[in-house]
Amino acid sequence: AQKVTQAQTEISVVEKEDVTLDCVYETRDTTYYLFWYKQPPSGELVFLIRRNSFDEQNEISGRYSWNFQKSTSSFNFTITASQVVDSAVYFCALRHSGAGSYQLTFGKGTKLSVIP
Amino acid sequence: NAGVTQTPKFRVLKTGQSMTLLCAQDMNHEYMYWYRQDPGMGLRLIHYSVGEGTTAKGEVPDGYNVSRLKKQNFLLGLESAAPSQTSVYFCASSSIPGQGYEQYFGPGTRLTVT
Repeated sequence: AQKVTQAQTEISVVEKEDVTLDCVYETRDTTYYLFWYKQPPSGELVFLIRRNSFDEQNEISGRYSWNFQKSTSSFNFTITASQVVDSAVYFCALRHSGAGSYQLTFGKGTKLSVIP
Repeated sequence: NAGVTQTPKFRVLKTGQSMTLLCAQDMNHEYMYWYRQDPGMGLRLIHYSVGEGTTAKGEVPDGYNVSRLKKQNFLLGLESAAPSQTSVYFCASSSIPGQGYEQYFGPGTRLTVT
């Protein structure tokens, strides 16, 4: 069975602070994909990043960075110099790549509030 | 290029009423999905489709039916709505494996069943 745990239900930071959102996953598969999605107050879900299990390189995109560590089954997301526009619920999700693997297993989300 | 669109955006039903939610995508994606989002629960897959004319059950399929008569459309039906189906419903689509696994989501439909 697959499982994604986002232990932080809510986080509040002051603008310009760095913040890390934790994601721990469980899977028996050797090949799988990990995702982060952002859900701003307007409600839509915005795709941020996909990472496959073969690629453990960290990724940076502007103020966003992701740290994938297979040894600890974690795929953490860091926002540097947070801004009010980063306020949203962030979801981590897991998908395995075997036949019939069409389902994304989502964590319950972390609500980030950036205070000006 | 509208991406994934959902109709309607909001709906209020009385217990026992029926309705259909429409999802349309213009990205020529093969796969389409219906999720529901409930507070503190994340998103849970209701049904999905891997191509025109195909459907399959997801994690929480009871009380819902789906149809995929055209590649670009995926319909979610509630035959007899119950208060437990009060939720936000999201449709998503994705291309075939090998072309990326990310799912692109519609704006959501907020359904209230009284």
